Amino acid sequence: KNEVEQSPQNLTAQEGEFITINCSYSVGISALHWLQQHPGGGIVSLFMLSSGKKKHGRLIATINIQEKHSSLHITASHPRDSAVYICAVPPPHGGSQGNLIFGKGTKLSVKP
Amino acid sequence: NAGVTQTPKFQVLKTGQSMTLQCAQDMNHNSMYWYRQDPGMGLRLIYYSASEGTTDKGEVPNGYNVSRLNKREFSLRLESAAPSQTSVYFCASTGTVGNTQYFGPGTRLTVL
Repeated sequence: KNEVEQSPQNLTAQEGEFITINCSYSVGISALHWLQQHPGGGIVSLFMLSSGKKKHGRLIATINIQEKHSSLHITASHPRDSAVYICAVPPPHGGSQGNLIFGKGTKLSVKP
Repeated sequence: NAGVTQTPKFQVLKTGQSMTLQCAQDMNHNSMYWYRQDPGMGLRLIYYSASEGTTDKGEVPNGYNVSRLNKREFSLRLESAAPSQTSVYFCASTGTVGNTQYFGPGTRLTVL
């Protein structure tokens, strides 16, 4: 089983701060997913990446396949970024069924 | 497009009662999944369906059954609900294995 560890579990920041959330996994993968769960409970996919870096607005995701590590960065954080951020990877051997193994999430709270 | 829809949004059951959670997607996706989310744990796979007419067990299938009624719909049934099944249930779908998963809004189930 692919173990997914996220840090920190909880994060409180002031508006405008640069935020980093980390994700480590135990087994090599083809791609890693970052998702956001809103306070109301809905889950949306932010990124899927297999190498290097991806950017969408103020969000940047990076991955180091050799080190089995990914980071999610938020620049100029805003209270509306408050959410739970979840890292997910495929099961070992790719997972022919396409499901994901999820980390426990990082709860981010951005104060005005 | 509505994306992935789930009904009901909330449900309270008594121990031993049965119910079916409904999920539908309008994105012509082949693969569909049922996950449960419990406090302090990552999302866990209950059952999945790689294509119409096929279903397979995930990590935590005990106490559940599923039906892939057609390409659009994938239902989850609790035959005899137990308090341990109190959770938030998410349905998800993906068009291509390994690609972005799209989630429904979730069903919050309480079993008394």
